[in-house]
Amino acid sequence: SQQGEEDPQALSIQEGENATMNCSYKTSINNLQWYRQNSGRGLVHLILIRSNEREKHSGRLRVTLDTSKKSSSLLITASRAADTASYFCATGGTGKLIFGQGTTLQVKP
Amino acid sequence: GAGVSQTPSNKVTEKGKYVELRCDPISGHTALYWYRQSLGQGPEFLIYFQGTGAADDSGLPNDRFFAVRPEGSVSTLKIQRTERGDSAVYLCASSLGQRNTGELFFGEGSRLTVL
Repeated sequence: SQQGEEDPQALSIQEGENATMNCSYKTSINNLQWYRQNSGRGLVHLILIRSNEREKHSGRLRVTLDTSKKSSSLLITASRAADTASYFCATGGTGKLIFGQGTTLQVKP
Repeated sequence: GAGVSQTPSNKVTEKGKYVELRCDPISGHTALYWYRQSLGQGPEFLIYFQGTGAADDSGLPNDRFFAVRPEGSVSTLKIQRTERGDSAVYLCASSLGQRNTGELFFGEGSRLTVL
């Protein structure tokens, strides 16, 4: 079963615009991670935010975490056509990672 | 190897047949995970190994599915009496196996089609 729910399910933007994806989860976590998956490929880790952190940056990525609302957001700034992919949040405890359903992002050149 | 390797990349089989999918994790990674992904869905957890033992097999859908990791490195996911509903991409991932689950490194997946 899936733990997280991403919103929106699909997002289409123009190159240069910002893209925001949201993730909600149900149980307590140690960390929350975001992954990217290009069509037909495996998942690639983007960023990990720990439960005691509120915001984290990595290049054009900004992740926020609100444990009181059990939600996280991923912001991609100045998007590029190469950012076109599916993005998944995953919640981690002391064992398995549980993935959400994903947001499919299309960036039009 | 440099990354997680999965074989075969594609497998087409007939309903009722037996299938084995292999995963070769990153050297030194003690934790190994199997996920299943259907089209348009997120990866669904199947089983997680810490070393040679299955630490959590709660995601295996039924007793037709079984996985082993006899020497704590390569793992094999075994599916007996395959059904059409087993068609999916089977993803393997490995990690350093810290107490708090960190970054997972994924293979490219094995696409299973059951006719």
